[in-house]
Amino acid sequence: QVQLVQSGAEVKKPGASVKVSCKASGYTFTGHYIHWVRQAPGQGLEWMGWINPNSGVTKYAQKFQGRVTMTRDTSISTAYMELSSLISDDTAVYSCARDRSSSWSSLAGMDVWGQGTTVTVSS
Amino acid sequence: DIQMTQSPSTLSASVGDRVTITCRASQSINRWLAWYQQKPGRAPKLLIYDASSLESGVPSSFSGSGSGTEFTLTISGLQPDDFATYYCQHYGSYPLTFGQGTKVEIK
Repeated sequence: QVQLVQSGAEVKKPGASVKVSCKASGYTFTGHYIHWVRQAPGQGLEWMGWINPNSGVTKYAQKFQGRVTMTRDTSISTAYMELSSLISDDTAVYSCARDRSSSWSSLAGMDVWGQGTTVTVSS
Repeated sequence: DIQMTQSPSTLSASVGDRVTITCRASQSINRWLAWYQQKPGRAPKLLIYDASSLESGVPSSFSGSGSGTEFTLTISGLQPDDFATYYCQHYGSYPLTFGQGTKVEIK
């Protein structure tokens, strides 16, 4: 079945970086955008950006520009999100999600989600 | 950035009730809107996309409407499995943003 499986929980110190992976299966990895969304404890959802797995082109939310890097490895159908210069406010569940559109010219909601990766930033 | 404002923040309802959640965008987003359901400790689930298109496998008791800046999600006949938090999200421009959520709880 179509699924996204993420890497496990991480604990990082302030100032460090974290890299989360998201392995796709059950569909053509290079056919859909992959978004990254985070959710701080007890808070709402925050979009971080997307990667086009076919071309590697990325689009980041301005808030994370300079601190986030999204990459992919098409040979293993895996997307990555690396966030640097971590602070305590970055403590959150980070999720990858597939855009349901199969067109690179439009978006249409996120129809398949990873299970989420808890990132805790603490000294 | 486009702000998405949901109302109410919390909604108390009974099984069988018809419930409506409103989402307002700070500027027009055409029909580029999705609705999600999220339960504690779980990933969001896509219910509606393009404002009114029902995602495959989602019960027909869920429906979406609206365009421009005002949108609604309606659940006709609330079921026990529907008690959850609901989010709207626009994808009309960048950055994509979500509403703050509406928690539907048991009355």
